Amino acid sequence: DIQMTQSPSSLPASLGERVTISCRASQGISNNLNWYQQKPDGTIKPLIYYTSNLQSGVPSRFSGSGSGTDYSLTISSLEPEDFAMYYCQQDASFPYTFGAGTKLELK
Amino acid sequence: EVQLVESGGGLVQPGRSLKLSCAASGFTFSDYNMAWVRQAPTKGLEWVASISYGGSNTHYGDSVKGRFTISRDNAKSTLYLQMDSLRSEDTATYYCARHRGYDGTYYYWYFDFWGPGTMVTVSS
Repeated sequence: DIQMTQSPSSLPASLGERVTISCRASQGISNNLNWYQQKPDGTIKPLIYYTSNLQSGVPSRFSGSGSGTDYSLTISSLEPEDFAMYYCQQDASFPYTFGAGTKLELK
Repeated sequence: EVQLVESGGGLVQPGRSLKLSCAASGFTFSDYNMAWVRQAPTKGLEWVASISYGGSNTHYGDSVKGRFTISRDNAKSTLYLQMDSLRSEDTATYYCARHRGYDGTYYYWYFDFWGPGTMVTVSS
C-alpha cells in the first residue's frame, strides 16, 4: 500500500498569509494526487485534482504542485473560510490512501 | 444539483451487521463509479470501497475486506454498503462519494461529490 505523509499536522496562520501544506508518498504516484477540504461540520469538498487542476468553483488562491513522491497545496492569501482541515489523497492505485490531515488554524 | 444522502447508520453491537444506503440524485447514477469513505471520531479519512458504474468491479480496503460488501441498484440510483462482523474500530462517520469519471479526455478517480455522512457506532 502507498503511505501518504502529510505535514504539518497543525498550521497556525493569519488572514492574508500565504501557506503551504506538503504531502509525500511512499512511492511515486505519477501526479495522481488530490486535495480535499473538510469544514468543522464535516462537509468535504475537492480542491485540487491530479496535482494541479483546480476543481470547478474553487477560488484561484488555491493551487497545487509536485511530482514523483512530493506534492504541495498552497493558499496564496488566507480568507476566513479557509480555516479548516486539509487532506491529500493518492488515487494512483488501490487501496486509495489519504494523508493524516493538516488543521489550518487562525493564529 | 448533485446530491448524495446517506442513511442507515446507528448503534450496533460488535459482531452484528448493518446496511448503509446512499440515495443519489441530480446526475445519471449509472454512468459513475461510486465509493464509501469513512472517518473515525477525531481521525482522518479512510477509503473503504469502490464499485464500477455497472456494479461488476469492486475494490476494498484491507481493514474491511471479507466483511463489507459494496453494491448498487442503478434503477433506484442507490449505493449500498453491507457491513458484517462489525468491530469497535468500524465506528466512524461513513461518507458516500462519487468518482469524477471522464472529463472528455481523461478518466479521473478522485471524489468530486460527497454526502454529509452517516454515523455508525459499534458498541455493546
